[in-house]
Amino acid sequence: GIQVEQSPPDLILQEGANSTLRCNFSDSVNNLQWFHQNPWGQLINLFYIPSGTKQNGRLSATTVATERYSLLYISSSQTTDSGVYFCAAPYYNNDMRFGAGTRLTVKP
Amino acid sequence: KAGVTQTPRYLIKTRGQQVTLSCSPISGHRSVSWYQQTPGQGLQFLFEYFSETQRNKGNFPGRFSGRQFSNSRSEMNVSTLELGDSALYLCASSLADSGGEQFFGPGTRLTVL
Repeated sequence: GIQVEQSPPDLILQEGANSTLRCNFSDSVNNLQWFHQNPWGQLINLFYIPSGTKQNGRLSATTVATERYSLLYISSSQTTDSGVYFCAAPYYNNDMRFGAGTRLTVKP
Repeated sequence: KAGVTQTPRYLIKTRGQQVTLSCSPISGHRSVSWYQQTPGQGLQFLFEYFSETQRNKGNFPGRFSGRQFSNSRSEMNVSTLELGDSALYLCASSLADSGGEQFFGPGTRLTVL
């Protein structure tokens, strides 16, 4: 099955700094999603990005499907950006395989 | 449009008991998937239902089962609970039958004592 790897596992930033999170996947995909898990455990959709680049405020994402990776950019980070970020890709039908996550801590 | 809802949000059970969790997808979504999240294993796929049929099943014992109703609502059941079943159980719904954007509910946090 598809393998999804995320890096770095942990990231500590000062408020206002920029960051890049990476997601590598082992096989071609027709879907790639980025999520932010809030402190209560819910996965919040950030991007549905099988290929190309999308932007939403201070966040943007790029997926290069031919090279099997996706990047999530966070600019001017805020303390509310803290939490765990996951990427996920489908294995079969809607069976999504998740990376282990990147735990982001933004310090004031 | 209402999001994915899950009930109950929190549950405490003892070993050997059984539990049923419920998930109501976004209106119009026919695919419902279930995931288990634990600190040690991360997010793992349990099973997926589409139009009342289980299409895929993850690598979990037969104690884990589920079903989907004609209105797309889904339930999962865990019988003979073990301590290791303590986890956050998340369900997701999707409009597409494959590769579509997944939307997650708030989860049910199960504690087995």
